[in-house]
Amino acid sequence: GQNIDQPTEMTATEGAIVQINCTYQTSGFNGLFWYQQHAGEAPTFLSYNVLDGLEEKGRFSSFLSRSKGYSYLLLKELQMKDSASYLCAVRDSNYQLIWGAGTKLIIKP
Amino acid sequence: SAVISQKPSRDICQRGTSLTIQCQVDSQVTMMFWYRQQPGQSLTLIATANQGSEATYESGFVIDKFPISRPNLTFSTLTVSNMSPEDSSIYLCSVPWGYNEQFFGPGTRLTVL
Repeated sequence: GQNIDQPTEMTATEGAIVQINCTYQTSGFNGLFWYQQHAGEAPTFLSYNVLDGLEEKGRFSSFLSRSKGYSYLLLKELQMKDSASYLCAVRDSNYQLIWGAGTKLIIKP
Repeated sequence: SAVISQKPSRDICQRGTSLTIQCQVDSQVTMMFWYRQQPGQSLTLIATANQGSEATYESGFVIDKFPISRPNLTFSTLTVSNMSPEDSSIYLCSVPWGYNEQFFGPGTRLTVL
């Protein structure tokens, strides 16, 4: 079966750095996505990786290793507004998005 | 980018009734997706709605329970039929955009008593 694993919850301090990991087992691979979802709101797109390596976008970076079925989202200079759930999703061979359950990130002052 | 609106934003319904959720996109799109997200859970794809053809349902979801309409390239509806408390969830419509983005509507929060 297809499976996306990410931690259920993480806590970090304002101003610090946090890394949210995602491992996946899917039938085929056509890209990995990270989305941010604030409570009660729709998910919003953060990043897309299809090749191995690091993609940097401001305070957020996303890394992919296809051979290991592994990705992480790195958030730097954490702000209180970064408190949200972070969803990892993989697009499989049928171009369907397979979603992880999300990691709830709690930022403390 | 695409801007997506949904109606209603939330509703509380009685067991056995049906609710139709509307999704409007500000651009013409070929595919529209309907998802369900139960509290603390992942997004689960219900079906893909294509204009001019029957919706394609994922395993575990059937047309009698979740009929979908797609009358044109900017609009779709999802009906949750004969509701039970287990149908309490957030229902989201979504559209793919370009090769690597997918935009979501604000969601419809449904509570079934």
